[in-house]
Amino acid sequence: GAGVSQSPRYKVAKRGQDVALRCDPISGHVSLFWYQQALGQGPEFLTYFQNEAQLDKSGLPSDRFFAERPEGSVSTLKIQRTQQEDSAVYLCASSGGPGGAQPQHFGDGTRLSIL
Amino acid sequence: EDQVTQSPEALRLQEGESSSLNCSYTVSGLRGLFWYRQDPGKGPEFLFTLYSAGEEKEKERLKATLTKKESFLHITAPKPEDSATYLCAALIGSRLTFGEGTQLTVNP
Repeated sequence: GAGVSQSPRYKVAKRGQDVALRCDPISGHVSLFWYQQALGQGPEFLTYFQNEAQLDKSGLPSDRFFAERPEGSVSTLKIQRTQQEDSAVYLCASSGGPGGAQPQHFGDGTRLSIL
Repeated sequence: EDQVTQSPEALRLQEGESSSLNCSYTVSGLRGLFWYRQDPGKGPEFLFTLYSAGEEKEKERLKATLTKKESFLHITAPKPEDSATYLCAALIGSRLTFGEGTQLTVNP
């Protein structure tokens, strides 16, 4: 079966532009997570959805970051007015049950570079 | 503050030379301890979940163990294809809090 799919794999944007990153989770997975991974670091939690409900967005670094999952499947992470410090790999993960206790399966990420 | 620390940062082994990676954690309300493997340019790949002190899990050349303060990933007779970054993560609430990883290189 297909794993978690993220697009685009690479994104280059100029400072101040808006970007949108897409995540297709494993079919039927109720939980979806976004993480940010800086070079040489472990992933850092951004936000968590259970179906279409965003239950935890405490990791979003500023109000420029916005995530949605309107139909409980595909999710989009949007970053407005991008800054150089937003450059990182953005990882999406999904799991089959609620609450994260089941293993989270990760996509290969979107590498975002802000010039 | 919840904290997960991995050591060493980097480890070089000869093929067949067994060793252990350490993950120490200071968290409140640990729901599980996860180990992942990450290859360059890829997302983390799930290896193990441990839920309670004393639990052990094995897969091929890897064995993960858990105490009340730390977890170990034991690698027995590693092969070059085991080279990767190994990440541990504590499940707190619904979020994973990751360590910074141990970059393992196994030379033939």
